[in-house]
Amino acid sequence: RKEVEQDPGPFNVPEGATVAFNCTYSNSASQSFFWYRQDCRKEPKLLMSVYSSGNEDGRFTAQLNRASQYISLLIRDSKLSDSATYLCVVVPVYNFNKFYFGSGTKLNVKP
Amino acid sequence: NAGVTQTPKFQVLKTGQSMTLQCAQDMNHNSMYWYRQDPGMGLRLIYYSASEGTTDKGEVPNGYNVSRLNKREFSLRLESAAPSQTSVYFCASRPGTGRENTEAFFGQGTRLTVV
Repeated sequence: RKEVEQDPGPFNVPEGATVAFNCTYSNSASQSFFWYRQDCRKEPKLLMSVYSSGNEDGRFTAQLNRASQYISLLIRDSKLSDSATYLCVVVPVYNFNKFYFGSGTKLNVKP
Repeated sequence: NAGVTQTPKFQVLKTGQSMTLQCAQDMNHNSMYWYRQDPGMGLRLIYYSASEGTTDKGEVPNGYNVSRLNKREFSLRLESAAPSQTSVYFCASRPGTGRENTEAFFGQGTRLTVV
C-alpha cells in the first residue's frame, strides 16, 4: 500500500470555481504535512504547510483530519494561473528526512 | 538568490555508461536529498544526507551512490546506467536538525534518458 494516495485527476474547472483535493496517508505516526505545487516540467514548490487546526492563505485552505488520516486543499475563486499539479507530502514522526509524496492531482482551470 | 542548483539539466546516456549529477545549495542547509520522479509515481527518495559527513538510503537506492562533498554539495552517481533509471531527478535541501517541520527547497531537476 502506498504511503500517500491522491486522485490524479485531472480536475477541469472554470475560472472562479471552488475545487477541493483530498490526500490520504497510511501511517498514523505522521507529524508534518505540506501541499506543494508543481508546474509542468518544473520543480515542486511549497504552497503551504498543513496545521492540525487547519490554516488559510488567501484563496487556499488546508485541513488535516488525523482520525481519518487525510489532508485536504480547497481553492476558492480559481484563477487560470492555478493550473498545475498539486502534490501532498507527509512526513513521519520517526524520520523527518523521509518526505512521502503523493503522485499529484492535476488541475486545469479554463477561461 | 540561487537556492538549489543542479547540473546538468538534460542528459542522454547509453546503457552501462556512468555519470554524476551535481547539486549545490547556498542556503547553509544541513540536510540534502535526491529524488526521482516518474509518471504516476510521485517523487521517491533515493538517498539523503541529514548533515555533512552522513548519508542514508531512501526508498529506491539501488543502482545509485551519493557523496556529501561538503555542506553545500551533494552528488548522485549512476555507476552503470540502465533504462529503468530514465527519470527526472531532483535535488532538495532543508535546514535540518532543530527545524524538522520546515519545507524542502528543490532544484530545477535533471532530465535523464538512458537508451
